[in-house]
Amino acid sequence: AGVTQNPKFQVLKTGQSMTLQCAQDMNHNSMYWYRQDPGLGLRLIYYSFDVKDINKGEISDGYSVSRQAQAKFSLSLESAIPNQTALYFCATSGYGFLTKNIQYFGAGTRLSVL
Amino acid sequence: DQQVKQNSPSLSVQEGRISILNCDYTNSMFDYFLWYKKYPAEGPTFLISISSIKDKNEDGRFTVFLNKSAKHLSLHIVPSQPGDSAVYFCAASAWNYGGSQGNLIFGKGTKLSVKP
Repeated sequence: AGVTQNPKFQVLKTGQSMTLQCAQDMNHNSMYWYRQDPGLGLRLIYYSFDVKDINKGEISDGYSVSRQAQAKFSLSLESAIPNQTALYFCATSGYGFLTKNIQYFGAGTRLSVL
Repeated sequence: DQQVKQNSPSLSVQEGRISILNCDYTNSMFDYFLWYKKYPAEGPTFLISISSIKDKNEDGRFTVFLNKSAKHLSLHIVPSQPGDSAVYFCAASAWNYGGSQGNLIFGKGTKLSVKP
């Protein structure tokens, strides 16, 4: 299956909270969360090189993450605001000498905050 | 400040011709470069990569060229096919510096349309 994201679509009202789930069966150590906005490419929110490692990315404000297991990495919005409307992608990487940081992406979660 | 730039938001090419997608970068530490392809309603998929010790890498119809002095790379697709119509993202990392330096920095993407 590779990288699985749930849900695929979500509509929230301002102030609501939710958690985006990501699971991978590629036995990768590293996992990432990105958001894509029209015309802005992919921007890194949080990343984790292993279960006990969590790091902020370029745009972490308003988000939190949890690495529940090597295979699972979730992204939470505690109090959603309209400018968090975007397409969210989870990615994984083996991050090794041979594999470098070739990342493999899930199909994405389209989030709308009204 | 954008470290990875794709200055053409879109490109239209006739089927069978060459598609050339361009990418410029500003960070001299970048030593590993990747191209991703993205179809609507799907996640980006890895296409091809190149290390800074090379200036060319080929994989079938896809070739990536790297010009380190100009801080420029390009993706050539020959011949172009309608199924190649997608958004193409360029990404770069400072892989050999390790840790977070190996994270990917993405360009904004170029939408390629290949017309039959």
